[in-house]
Amino acid sequence: NAGVTQTPKFRVLKTGQSMTLLCAQDMNHEYMYWYRQDPGMGLRLIHYSVGEGTTAKGEVPDGYNVSRLKKQNFLLGLESAAPSQTSVYFCASSTLPPEGEQFFGPGTRLTVL
Amino acid sequence: GENVEQHPSTLSVQEGDSAVIKCTYSDSASNYFPWYKQELGKRPQLIIDIRSNVGEKKDQRIAVTLNKTAKHFSLHITETQPEDSAVYFCAPKYNTGGFKTIFGAGTRLFVKA
Repeated sequence: NAGVTQTPKFRVLKTGQSMTLLCAQDMNHEYMYWYRQDPGMGLRLIHYSVGEGTTAKGEVPDGYNVSRLKKQNFLLGLESAAPSQTSVYFCASSTLPPEGEQFFGPGTRLTVL
Repeated sequence: GENVEQHPSTLSVQEGDSAVIKCTYSDSASNYFPWYKQELGKRPQLIIDIRSNVGEKKDQRIAVTLNKTAKHFSLHITETQPEDSAVYFCAPKYNTGGFKTIFGAGTRLFVKA
């Protein structure tokens, strides 16, 4: 099993460009999450999904959109990238709450110039 | 509301000493209280967790204690080793119209050989 994978691993964008980050998991998990991690800070929840076809806002959703068309995939979109979105993005998945270890992907390092 | 405070932000110990990190959560936290370890440049990984019906849990050199009355849980690492050097995050789950995880800001642990 691959676990949680993320595509791409690195990306450089210019201000105003758009892109989509792809997260895939092969563990049949219901819950999926997108976080961003800035230097010296913890992980901040952007959006999450409690199942196929659902999405919900986290702590810092502005400037991002998500979709969960298939259970195994969770996409994070940036419609018009800004330098403030320079960060490392982690995707995670977990089994049904309230318990449930989160399994993280390897991260995507995004730089917006 | 959803609030997570983690202390200290940085901790430096001598190899063989013990380290304790504390996490305080707010009322709407659910029943699952995990700790994650993130080594430099890598993804966060679960190291130990505790459910609210248990006061303490141990796994070799690592333990977690939960004080529900005071609303905090703590990570204890005994006989620290250089490979324990990492950033540690508490991540209680909150049930606010769907379960989501809020991460603490992290504690950077340095273990000096």
